[in-house]
Amino acid sequence: AQTVTQSQPEMSVQEAETVTLSCTYDTSENNYYLFWYKQPPSRQMILVIRQEAYKQQNATENRFSVNFQKAAKSFSLKISDSQLGDTAMYFCAFMGPGAEKLVFGKGTKLTVNP
Amino acid sequence: DTAVSQTPKYLVTQMGNDKSIKCEQNLGHDTMYWYKQDSKKFLKIMFSYNNKELIINETVPNRFSPKSPDKAHLNLHINSLELGDSAVYFCASSPGWGSWEKLFFGSGTQLSVL
Repeated sequence: AQTVTQSQPEMSVQEAETVTLSCTYDTSENNYYLFWYKQPPSRQMILVIRQEAYKQQNATENRFSVNFQKAAKSFSLKISDSQLGDTAMYFCAFMGPGAEKLVFGKGTKLTVNP
Repeated sequence: DTAVSQTPKYLVTQMGNDKSIKCEQNLGHDTMYWYKQDSKKFLKIMFSYNNKELIINETVPNRFSPKSPDKAHLNLHINSLELGDSAVYFCASSPGWGSWEKLFFGSGTQLSVL
């Protein structure tokens, strides 16, 4: 079974600085998808960024980018120019090729300080 | 307009009661889901329906019964509530089965069983 591990329960960063959230996963599959979701205090889950395993190029969405290391099974999220509105829980998630279900990590609570 | 709406947002009830949580999506999606987020923020899928047909049932106690009267609605009924059922329950939808990159979550229902 696939597992997703986020080793940082909590992190903090100063506004305008850069922070990296870690995620590792375990799978025997070759094709799969990885996601980062954001859950602000409003509790709504919001898709931040996704990466297809067959793509070597790291995904980027504005201030959010990933460092995808397939061999190491690592998928970290970098947030540049952190903003107060980035304060939230961040969840890494994995989906196998069968698209049966999304497996989530336990989350990292990020606080952006003014 | 809210894409995925759940009611109620908060639900406090006594052990042994029966309660329902309603979910509606106005996105025209074919697939809907129920997720449970426990006190440690761990998010796990419970059920998935595609075109009103049950696709995923993740070893959830049979006290939990989802009902999908049409593609736009997926309600969750819980019988004989137990303390361990206390959690935040999220409804979600996606355009079709496997469209995880277009997964929209509701804002959650916080269930507290006393």
